[in-house]
Amino acid sequence: EPEVTQTPSHQVTQMGQEVILRCVPISNHLYFYWYRQILGQKVEFLVSFYNNEISEKSEIFDDQFSVERPDGSNFTLKIRSTKLEDSAMYFCASTRQGGTDTGELFFGEGSRLTVL
Amino acid sequence: AQSVTQPDIHITVSEGASLELRCNYSYGATPYLFWYVQSPGQGLQLLLKYFSGDTLVQGIKGFEAEFKRSQSSFNLRKPSVHWSDAAEYFCAVGAYNTDKLIFGTGTRLQVFP
Repeated sequence: EPEVTQTPSHQVTQMGQEVILRCVPISNHLYFYWYRQILGQKVEFLVSFYNNEISEKSEIFDDQFSVERPDGSNFTLKIRSTKLEDSAMYFCASTRQGGTDTGELFFGEGSRLTVL
Repeated sequence: AQSVTQPDIHITVSEGASLELRCNYSYGATPYLFWYVQSPGQGLQLLLKYFSGDTLVQGIKGFEAEFKRSQSSFNLRKPSVHWSDAAEYFCAVGAYNTDKLIFGTGTRLQVFP
């Protein structure tokens, strides 16, 4: 069964360093998402991406964050200068159609980011 | 403001017992409602969803949920829990013309043999 894969599963970094989290969405999906979950808190929407541009983003997704689809298979989340409060589990998701009314989001297993 | 509340952080049940996980939402528009499950080391998997129509929806793994507009609730139920149901369960709400799902904090289910 096709699945969304994420790498790395766990990354430890120093505050101020750049981090790139990678995702390989399901191959025929067109809409891509990043969510995050700080330990003990809610899963929060960060950004959605379609047709090589951001279609929606939350207030969390500030200038420190960026997303990119550098090739036909990868979808990346970059954090330019990490802060302690960026420590969280980051989930990538994909779906064939956009909008929460149109179908199921398929989530990856998550990448745990620890900022020291 | 839009929000989802899962009042129970942690629930423990015996295998074979019935289960109900609570979810309340606050949303101005007509909500689309979801339950996701996350097993250890796994991504979030969709259990079921409600968009419109019959307020009792059936999902995978023997789960069902009932939408009650008057109570702003979408509780998840299972008549007989299996040990493999031990996981974290997330309720979420979405709406027309948005990509964003709003999640609750999750309920961790522990199942005793």
